Amino acid sequence: DARVTQTPRDKVTEMGQEVTMRCQPILGHNTVFWYRQTMMQGLELLAYFRNRAPLDDSGMPKDRFSAEMPDATLATLKIQPSEPRDSAVYFCASGTKGNQPQHFGDGTRLSIL
Amino acid sequence: AQTVTQSQPEMSVQEAETVTLSCTYDTSESDYYLFWYKQPPSRQMILVIRQEAYKQQNATENRFSVNFQKAAKSFSLKISDSQLGDAAMYFCAYRSALNTASKLTFGTGTRLQVTL
Repeated sequence: DARVTQTPRDKVTEMGQEVTMRCQPILGHNTVFWYRQTMMQGLELLAYFRNRAPLDDSGMPKDRFSAEMPDATLATLKIQPSEPRDSAVYFCASGTKGNQPQHFGDGTRLSIL
Repeated sequence: AQTVTQSQPEMSVQEAETVTLSCTYDTSESDYYLFWYKQPPSRQMILVIRQEAYKQQNATENRFSVNFQKAAKSFSLKISDSQLGDAAMYFCAYRSALNTASKLTFGTGTRLQVTL
């Protein structure tokens, strides 16, 4: 089965460090989403891309977060500088059009000390 | 903006019994999709079932079925013959059909326990 691949699976780092999370969408999927899951906020959209172009990043703190798609096989989410409140599970999902569901990766559990 | 509400933070069911998880949503759109995702302790997000709003027939997938009431904006999930492997968080999600690939809006989830 085709899968969305996220790396790393877990990341622990100190406050102020740069964090980069990577996502390989399913081949042929033209839309990529980044979601964040916390106990307090639940699952919320950070940003998404269609055909590598950013469509909506309104859920993302602009001063420290950035999301890019250097090519169709790679999406990145960067946090610089990281803060303890960024601790969460970050999910990448990919999809196509219409009623097709989004497929999720296994997430990156980020802990900022 | 659309909202999704899951009013049951936790539910419990005995093995082999049936349980229903509730979900309501609010939208002004007429065309949309609804989903149930399962998140086991491994934290994967696994699609359980989906429903297109224009279809009157309720979706079913093996032991999982939905009761979709469009006028009431209700989308409940029924799990029949519950198994220990069904224990997980269950999230109801909404997606607009106006945009060909728009975001999912999630509820807060229901934690399902399955007991022997």
